[in-house]
Amino acid sequence: GQQVMQIPQYQHVQEGEDFTTYCNSSTTLSNIQWYKQRPGGHPVFLIQLVKSGEVKKQKRLTFQFGEAKKNSSLHITATQTTDVGTYFCAGEGQGAQKLVFGQGTRLTINP
Amino acid sequence: DAGITQSPRHKVTETGTPVTLRCHQTENHRYMYWYRQDPGHGLRLIHYSYGVKDTDKGEVSDGYSVSRSKTEDFLLTLESATSSQTSVYFCAISEAMRTGVTDTQYFGPGTRLTVL
Repeated sequence: GQQVMQIPQYQHVQEGEDFTTYCNSSTTLSNIQWYKQRPGGHPVFLIQLVKSGEVKKQKRLTFQFGEAKKNSSLHITATQTTDVGTYFCAGEGQGAQKLVFGQGTRLTINP
Repeated sequence: DAGITQSPRHKVTETGTPVTLRCHQTENHRYMYWYRQDPGHGLRLIHYSYGVKDTDKGEVSDGYSVSRSKTEDFLLTLESATSSQTSVYFCAISEAMRTGVTDTQYFGPGTRLTVL
């Protein structure tokens, strides 16, 4: 079945440093979504990418969807302590009608 | 936050006992999902529903059953709980399927289940 791999599993940075997490699917995706989960909380939707090569920005966060629609990345510029949490990508296969989540990247920040 | 509640929020039970978790929504969304979250595995889909009495299996459905008799309620049942089912369970909802694309999912607060 469809698999979505996410790396790294953990990332610790100094406040102000950049952060990137990568997501790779074993199959072509119809779309990919990104979620953030704060410690002790529930996943919260960040963004959805649908088009090949799509790039979207939300303030310091930049999301990319690969040309082949099999990979994606989330980049955070100049991290802040509010960015702490686990970031999940979730991909939907062609006609799958359900999401497959990556394992998540847990981001911790040293202030 | 979307109007999603889960009950109970915490439960400790013994191996072999039946357990039912409830997800309730006030958004009138068509799709409802049950996930389990375990360290190193992210969120894994157990079962989902695409309408009243319409359900389908996810990737880790063994040992679980679901029912949806009303739009607002989606129940997850562990017929005979095992220690491997100790996990955090999240319910999620989404409004609709746009053409070929699953809509945003909104998650409930989660239920922490411990099976001794």
